[in-house]
Amino acid sequence: NAGVTQTPKFRVLKTGQSMTLLCAQDMNHEYMYWYRQDPGMGLRLIHYSVGEGTTAKGEVPDGYNVSRLKKQNFLLGLESAAPSQTSVYFCASSYDRQTLRFFGQGTRLTVV
Amino acid sequence: KNEVEQSPQNLTAQEGEFITINCSYSVGISALHWLQQHPGGGIVSLFMLSSGKKKHGRLIATINIQEKHSSLHITASHPRDSAVYICAVRSGAGGGADGLTFGKGTHLIIQP
Repeated sequence: NAGVTQTPKFRVLKTGQSMTLLCAQDMNHEYMYWYRQDPGMGLRLIHYSVGEGTTAKGEVPDGYNVSRLKKQNFLLGLESAAPSQTSVYFCASSYDRQTLRFFGQGTRLTVV
Repeated sequence: KNEVEQSPQNLTAQEGEFITINCSYSVGISALHWLQQHPGGGIVSLFMLSSGKKKHGRLIATINIQEKHSSLHITASHPRDSAVYICAVRSGAGGGADGLTFGKGTHLIIQP
C-alpha cells in the first residue's frame, strides 16, 4: 500500500544543472500536485494536473516544468537550477479538487 | 486572497497535557484541512471538515464557520505527537489554483 511515492528523497545540484523529480501514486487519483515548502512560509503550489495529459500552473510556476504522460505519474523538472529553488518539494494526489490530499514523503533539494 | 493564521507558532508541553492549536481565516470557505508533518517526514492529512466536529483517536477538530475559526485538540498528548500541524482552507475564490491556502504551521513538541 504505497500511496504517493517521491524519488529521489535528497539531491544536491549545482547552479545551472537540470533534474527531474518523480511522483508516483497507486490510488488511481485524477488530481496530482507539486508544492514547495520553504521556512516561514506555507506550502505553495507549483503546478498541478487534473488528469492524464493535462497540466496547469499554480502559484509559483516559474523555473519549473511538469508532465503527466501516465495517470499514475507526475514529473517535475528543473531545466536550469537556481539557488532560489533550494526547498523541500512535496507531491500530492487526490480523487478530485474537493477531497483529501495524499502527500508523498518529500524531496529535499539543495542548489549550490 | 484568504489569509490563514495559525496560533501558536510554537508550543512545548508535557506528556499528558491537553493541546489546542488554532486556525483563523479571513474569507468564507467551503472546507478546512488539518495536516500533520513529522520532523524530516512526509505530510499526512488528518481531517477535512466543513462544519461541526470530527474525532479520530485522541485528535479532535472543530470548526466555527461564523467565526471563521477552527481548532485542533490533542487529548492525553504523547511525545509521538510532536510534529508540525498545518491548517489549509479551501475557498471558492482567492485561494491557490487548487483552491487551497495553507497556514505556516504550528510546531508542537511534547516532552516526556
